[in-house]
Amino acid sequence: DAKTTQPTSMDCAEGRAANLPCNHSTISGNEYVYWYRQIHSQGPQYIIHGLKNNETNEMASLIITEDRKSSTLILPHATLRDTAVYYCIVRVAGVGGATNKLIFGTGTLLAVQP
Amino acid sequence: GEEVAQTPKHLVRGEGQKAKLYCAPIKGHSYVFWYQQVLKNEFKFLISFQNENVFDETGMPKERFSAKCLPNSPCSLEIQATKLEDSAVYFCASSQSGTSDYEQYFGPGTRLTVT
Repeated sequence: DAKTTQPTSMDCAEGRAANLPCNHSTISGNEYVYWYRQIHSQGPQYIIHGLKNNETNEMASLIITEDRKSSTLILPHATLRDTAVYYCIVRVAGVGGATNKLIFGTGTLLAVQP
Repeated sequence: GEEVAQTPKHLVRGEGQKAKLYCAPIKGHSYVFWYQQVLKNEFKFLISFQNENVFDETGMPKERFSAKCLPNSPCSLEIQATKLEDSAVYFCASSQSGTSDYEQYFGPGTRLTVT
């Protein structure tokens, strides 16, 4: 299983970009990088995912290094509502290769400050 | 529906009692996943289904936990003879596909408290 390493916590000023790093040095070539977040005790919320190329959607951008050993999630203009635990996850093939459970690490607590 | 629905929101059981949790996946999603969050940040995968078939049950405690996804019914996770250590939030997620390029969408969870 590819494991991920994230800082325990980060602060960000409201309105500024939040850059959340993730290391996944043992990732395999066919494994995707996913980002989820959990606000308070709500269900995890999908943010974005990618394989090799950088990705952008309405919530965030995902920058994956060329060697795929690390990535950065960027929230371009953080708001107070973005305060949450952010999880960087590498998708693992399950039994039979057809289902892929999510293996969550401990994540990064992002605190957006007013 | 457009969201994963989980019932009940909260469930309190005395040690040794049975607990049953329900999950309705997003319409059109054929994969269902159950996760357990015991401490604030610690998730554990329990089991996944493709329609009504168990696909991966490597995370299921064999003795007291069981799960089903039957046609035209919400999926269920049942714990026989609950123990204090089963106190957790149980999340259900659904996905269009089981492959790693499709995201899973989570429900709001069921908080089980065993006293």
